This record gives sequence, C-alpha cells and structure tokens, in this order.
Amino acid sequence: DADVTQTPRNRITKTGKRIMLECSQTKGHDRMYWYRQDPGLGLRLIYYSFDVKDINKGEISDGYSVSRQAQAKFSLSLESAIPNQTALYFCATQPRDSSYNEQFFGPGTRLTVL
Amino acid sequence: AQKITQTQPGMFVQEKEAVTLDCTYDTSDQSYGLFWYKQPSSGEMIFLIYQGSYDEQNATEGRYSLNFQKARKSANLVISASQLGDSAMYFCAMREGGKVDGNEKLTFGTGTRLTIIP
Repeated sequence: DADVTQTPRNRITKTGKRIMLECSQTKGHDRMYWYRQDPGLGLRLIYYSFDVKDINKGEISDGYSVSRQAQAKFSLSLESAIPNQTALYFCATQPRDSSYNEQFFGPGTRLTVL
Repeated sequence: AQKITQTQPGMFVQEKEAVTLDCTYDTSDQSYGLFWYKQPSSGEMIFLIYQGSYDEQNATEGRYSLNFQKARKSANLVISASQLGDSAMYFCAMREGGKVDGNEKLTFGTGTRLTIIP
C-alpha cells in the first residue's frame, strides 16, 4: 500500500465550484505540504503544516485553504475554482527528524477547471 | 531572483552515455541542502540524491552522483551509463537553513526533460 495517498487522482470541475483534495499518510510524519505543478514552472508551495495545530502559507496560497484534521490527513480546498488553478497537485510529507529533510510525495491529483 | 536555476529545458542523450543535468542555486545561508527528484511520465516524484552544504564529499547513490561546487553555487546531477528508464523530468530543489532550525521548505527549479535515445 502507498504511504502517501491522494484522492481524487483526477478531477474535472467547473469555474466557481468548491473542491477539496485530500491527502492521507501512513508514514507517521509530522510535516505535510501541498504543492502545485504547472508546465515550465516546476513545483510551487501552496501551504504547509508542521503539526496539527500549525498551518503556514506558502508561495502561492491565494485562492486556497487547508485543513489538518489529524496528523495523517491534510486537505486542500479551492473555495471557488478558476481555470488558472488547473494543475497537477502534490501532497508531500516529511519526518520531524530526518537526516536529509527529504520529502515523500503522493502520486498527485490532476485537476482541470473548465 | 530565482533560487534554483535549471538552464536545460530538454536534453537528448544516447543510451549508455553519461549525462550531466545542470543546477545552480542562490542562497545567503551557510547551511542548506540540495536535492534531486525524478518525475517519470507516470507523474510521481522520486527522490534521487541529497547533498548538504557542509558535506565535503560529493553525494553518490548508485548511478547517480551530485557534482557539488560550492563556490560556484552549482549542484549538477550526473547519471552514469544512462538507460531508457532514465527518460523523465528531473528537478533540482533546495532547503535553506539548517535542518534543526525549522526551515524545512523546499524550493524547486523548473526542471529538465531528459530523453534517452536507444
């Protein structure tokens, strides 16, 4: 079973709709992250959380919100989706104590906003 | 200014040849970490290799090595004896600050698409 799972894997929605992307992990890591990937722009950080009570904005948080329901779950919401939020979204986790600060990525959610 | 610069949008390399993917970085921190990730066409992000700013030796992981030139702020990925399965996007990333001071965010470059030719 995958250690970091994302649901849904693919989603097509319409402008103005509210949508939630979910991330779950069985790795027991404290840190969780949401990124978006656009062609030619690499991965950009949306939000991150170092524990259940800690939420921080990343580079591109406008238009997004998050919820850390438990150590293992970190959800990303688009309150009113717009076409330029069409992208590949990744969730990632990281342990508190790590030799590298390596982040472990989920499989991604491909979101299309029409 | 870009913190991570990957100047090669795409590269074509003959199978079995070695390939170097360029990465330069910009930071004023003394303690930082550099990472390379691979993204095959299936989309997942696969961690390849890590180099700490205080590491004196270049990192190696199997066929992957990181050519770390601190004075030039360069962290190139070298893949020896390339294989068809190496065809993918490759991303360089940086963590600024030490791993114990709480700054554990990664900044990614725009990537290089590597294609291995049979």
